[in-house]
Amino acid sequence: DVKVTQSSRYLVKRTGEKVFLECVQDMDHENMFWYRQDPGLGLRLIYFSYDVKMKEKGDIPEGYSVSREKKERFSLILESASTNQTSMYLCASSLGHQPQHFGDGTRLSIL
Amino acid sequence: GQNIDQPTEMTATEGAIVQINCTYQTSGFNGLFWYQQHAGEAPTFLSYNVLDGLEEKGRFSSFLSRSKGYSYLLLKELQMKDSASYLCAVEDSGAGSYQLTFGKGTKLSVIP
Repeated sequence: DVKVTQSSRYLVKRTGEKVFLECVQDMDHENMFWYRQDPGLGLRLIYFSYDVKMKEKGDIPEGYSVSREKKERFSLILESASTNQTSMYLCASSLGHQPQHFGDGTRLSIL
Repeated sequence: GQNIDQPTEMTATEGAIVQINCTYQTSGFNGLFWYQQHAGEAPTFLSYNVLDGLEEKGRFSSFLSRSKGYSYLLLKELQMKDSASYLCAVEDSGAGSYQLTFGKGTKLSVIP
């Protein structure tokens, strides 16, 4: 079974902090994705990557950056956290056009 | 741009059949996915359609009409555990590789 592991289930940070969300997958998938999920807005794509050191902007990249130094790891970085970045963050991975597999999510609160 | 519409909420009775519709408008089309998401949990893959027609998988079936930009998810013999949100997602060949655009999800409540 595919395993996508996100480093934290719950995280509380303060406004202005630099926040790192980590995601690791164990199936050698080339594609990795970061989404945020908000009530009434659904899943929205922040960034994705289809190879090591490659990154592409999704629909809402502002205020975020990503890093993919190794194939199995995709990190989401909030450069200077703001309260409007309080959300559920979901990481996913896939192989080609196969279904995306999701991690359990990180519920991030910015105070 | 992309636009994916599905009903916000539905209620159905245990043992019954329910159909959740999804309409989409995208610049290209590489396939349509359905995911199930229980409250507080990650989405899990249910079905994938790339050609027109019906795909059946146990109690769940999914249908696609590419010419109409339309899909539905059919759940038979509903069980209480089917209470969840159901997400429709389209892979748009005009967007980035393997990128999915999700609808806002349909929250299904199964009542006794």
